[in-house]
Amino acid sequence: DTVLTQSPALTVSPGERVTISCRASESVSTSMHWYQQKPGQQPKLLIYGASNLESGVPARFSGSGSGTDFTLIIDPVEADDTATYFCQQSWNEWTFGGGTKLEL
Amino acid sequence: QVQLKETGPDLVQLTQTLSITCTVSGFSLTTYNVHWVRQPPGKGLEWMGAMWNGGGTDYNSAFKSRLSINRDTSKSQVFLKMNSLQTDDTAKYFCARHNNWGYFDNWGQGVMVTVSS
Repeated sequence: DTVLTQSPALTVSPGERVTISCRASESVSTSMHWYQQKPGQQPKLLIYGASNLESGVPARFSGSGSGTDFTLIIDPVEADDTATYFCQQSWNEWTFGGGTKLEL
Repeated sequence: QVQLKETGPDLVQLTQTLSITCTVSGFSLTTYNVHWVRQPPGKGLEWMGAMWNGGGTDYNSAFKSRLSINRDTSKSQVFLKMNSLQTDDTAKYFCARHNNWGYFDNWGQGVMVTVSS
């Protein structure tokens, strides 16, 4: 299985630039996608193909990376961005990272 | 618009079988794939399996032969069935529409299932 590793938690202030990382145990090319999940809700797609913004998602969100190292950036972060962020790869079946809980 | 909705039991007895239905609207099961993902309380997401638009299936090997996924295209429904439930199968179960890029672009609200002894 392709294991995705994320830092568990992050605390920031509104207006800051936030970087959330995801490292894959093997190369996944650009087959990396990012989701936001708020408590009690289903995940919501933010970024697909490492850097493509899903329709309707604010341009404050962006993604980058290829191979094994990927980054989700929120700039500037807003209070409503409090959530857990998951990365997911689709190069080798489908696996998710453990999630990064973002608190403001 | 695209919608997915899971229906199933809140509580299942230890060693029994779980059955969940995902009813979709706004798209056809013969055009899009639907996958199942679960999330134990307070934990991360785990891919379980897929129903492909052509009718084939794929399963996470972690579930070995416990899991089966079927569909009824006339009713726009995808079915998950998993047997021999244990307490660590307690989770919220989601169905999600899979895009050919490999990501999940629409999710159901999920159904929380508790396995009780």
